[in-house]
Amino acid sequence: NAGVTQTPKFQVLKTGQSMTLQCAQDMNHNSMYWYRQDPGMGLRLIYYSASEGTTDKGEVPNGYNVSRLNKREFSLRLESAAPSQTSVYFCASSETMSNYGYTFGSGTRLTVV
Amino acid sequence: GQSLEQPSEVTAVEGAIVQINCTYQTSGFYGLSWYQQHDGGAPTFLSYNALDGLEETGRFSSFLSRSDSYGYLLLQELQMKDSASYFCAVRVWHNFNKFYFGSGTKLNVKP
Repeated sequence: NAGVTQTPKFQVLKTGQSMTLQCAQDMNHNSMYWYRQDPGMGLRLIYYSASEGTTDKGEVPNGYNVSRLNKREFSLRLESAAPSQTSVYFCASSETMSNYGYTFGSGTRLTVV
Repeated sequence: GQSLEQPSEVTAVEGAIVQINCTYQTSGFYGLSWYQQHDGGAPTFLSYNALDGLEETGRFSSFLSRSDSYGYLLLQELQMKDSASYFCAVRVWHNFNKFYFGSGTKLNVKP
């Protein structure tokens, strides 16, 4: 059982470049999330998707867009990367009101130079 | 907004007991979760408390007091593999239920 799969695992971008981070889950979860984690800090919510066909902003949405392609896939796009977006990005999924928390992917380590 | 406070670092010896505290300020509070994250790894879910009291799962226990906006994670019989960062996260309801994470407590277990 793969759980939550993120690609790529590592990426280096130049300022102004664009890229899409991919996330797919095979647990039939309704809800999916994108978080970023900066050194010594907790996870901050970028965007979330409560269910297929819906997306909404989290705490730090500026500079990002998302697409909930289907129930399995939730992508995060950086249109014009900035050094401030250097971070580790985690995708997560859950049942909407589950008491069992989120299942996280292994993360994408992004550096913007 | 949400505010969570937990100690930045805790050190304990193998076999000991350690408690990691978390205080929070938020509206729409639903519950408190704890996650473990090893260096370079993904956060993994440990526990969730929706009601006051202690929840025990093996060597780990988690406590919640809603009236005090306070919770803690208790780790017993510490092992070297417990060296990791531990995050508390509040579950809130603002149109949809979401988790907001604290900045984490790095636990160092020494022989």
